[in-house]
Amino acid sequence: AQSVTQLGSHVSVSEGALVLLRCNYSSSVPPYLFWYVQYPNQGLQLLLKYTSAATLVKGINGFEAEFKKSETSFHLTKPSAHMSDAAEYFCAVSVSGTASKLTFGTGTRLQVTL
Amino acid sequence: NAGVTQTPKFRVLKTGQSMTLLCAQDMNHEYMYWYRQDPGMGLRLIHYSVGEGTTAKGEVPDGYNVSRLKKQNFLLGLESAAPSQTSVYFCASSSPLGGGETQYFGPGTRLLVL
Repeated sequence: AQSVTQLGSHVSVSEGALVLLRCNYSSSVPPYLFWYVQYPNQGLQLLLKYTSAATLVKGINGFEAEFKKSETSFHLTKPSAHMSDAAEYFCAVSVSGTASKLTFGTGTRLQVTL
Repeated sequence: NAGVTQTPKFRVLKTGQSMTLLCAQDMNHEYMYWYRQDPGMGLRLIHYSVGEGTTAKGEVPDGYNVSRLKKQNFLLGLESAAPSQTSVYFCASSSPLGGGETQYFGPGTRLLVL
């Protein structure tokens, strides 16, 4: 079975600073990896996903993530944080042949301060 | 194009009462899912469906039943609600593409069981 670990339940950055949200996965077969964002009182929205093509994946709102097989990581970054980035971020994994069922991490709440 | 919609948005139940949550999608997706979200635990899969008339158990199915009589609808039932079922429930849908499919989420139903 696959799993995801997100290090840090809360991350606080200053506006304009680098955003780094960590995600490590465990899977015995090649994984598909996702980052979703949840704004307050809303559903989840896809930021980006890795599906075995390019290891550096670019998503919406200036976010990107790099798949590193040797480190079993899929960390999310953004060069310059904006106040509107404040939200909860979830890393998730699925594998082929399982009806695309997602296993989610516990989430990281990003706070952006002035 | 409404995407994924959920009814109701909020509900308060007394222990032992029953209710049905309705999920509808207008994207002609084959796959549909029900998740629950609890603080510090991310999203956990309750039940899912890979097509009309089919359902399967997820990670936390106990106390819930589901039905998929029409392709566009996925119902989640609580026969006898318990306080432990207080949660936010999300429905999602996706289209099979051989792996790595994006799931599209509804806005959620907030359920309080007293």
